Amino acid sequence: GAVVSQHPSWVICKSGTSVKIECRSLDFQATTMFWYRQFPKQSLMLMATSNEGSKATYEQGVEKDKFLINHASLTLSTLTVTSAHPEDSSFYICSAPFWLDYEQYFGPGTRLTVT
Amino acid sequence: SQQGEEDPQALSIQEGENATMNCSYKTSINNLQWYRQNSGRGLVHLILIRSNEREKHSGRLRVTLDTSKKSSSLLITASRAADTASYFCATADSWGKLQFGAGTQVVVTP
Repeated sequence: GAVVSQHPSWVICKSGTSVKIECRSLDFQATTMFWYRQFPKQSLMLMATSNEGSKATYEQGVEKDKFLINHASLTLSTLTVTSAHPEDSSFYICSAPFWLDYEQYFGPGTRLTVT
Repeated sequence: SQQGEEDPQALSIQEGENATMNCSYKTSINNLQWYRQNSGRGLVHLILIRSNEREKHSGRLRVTLDTSKKSSSLLITASRAADTASYFCATADSWGKLQFGAGTQVVVTP
């Protein structure tokens, strides 16, 4: 099946700094990618839809200025957590739909810890 | 926001038993998908059922979908210790956007 990678797999940063997370579709092109956040023992919450060549669309309650999304190419979307705070510590997961069969392929996730 | 609810929240069974979990949702859907997540890991796609389908099988998995009741169920037959994980349902709209349920944590003891 199709593969989606994320980098880094985990990151620790200090409060106030910015962190960039990459999501790549390795063997297919993805004009759309999705970003999710998962807090411990909770479900995945959709944060935003990343669109190649246009602005991302954010879910209600997600700060677009804090979570910057750039869909630079048909295989790469990046999520930058700006001015990170401890409450941003979470598991961030991206996905890309493979339209031929509607299945979504998920990256392995990035665990962010803000100290 | 979460699309719907899953029940039970947690399920503890012994190897060989069947595990059943249910998912309810609120809006119209294009398809419904079930995923498994081992602790602290990424998601593994299990099965997708389209809105015009009522039942689907994949190995030891059986999924039903009742669009009139806006509900779905996942049955895992003859469970194994390796099935221990959290299971999530997710509904997809026509754009592929997924909304996840709260999940069911399944523990299978040998």
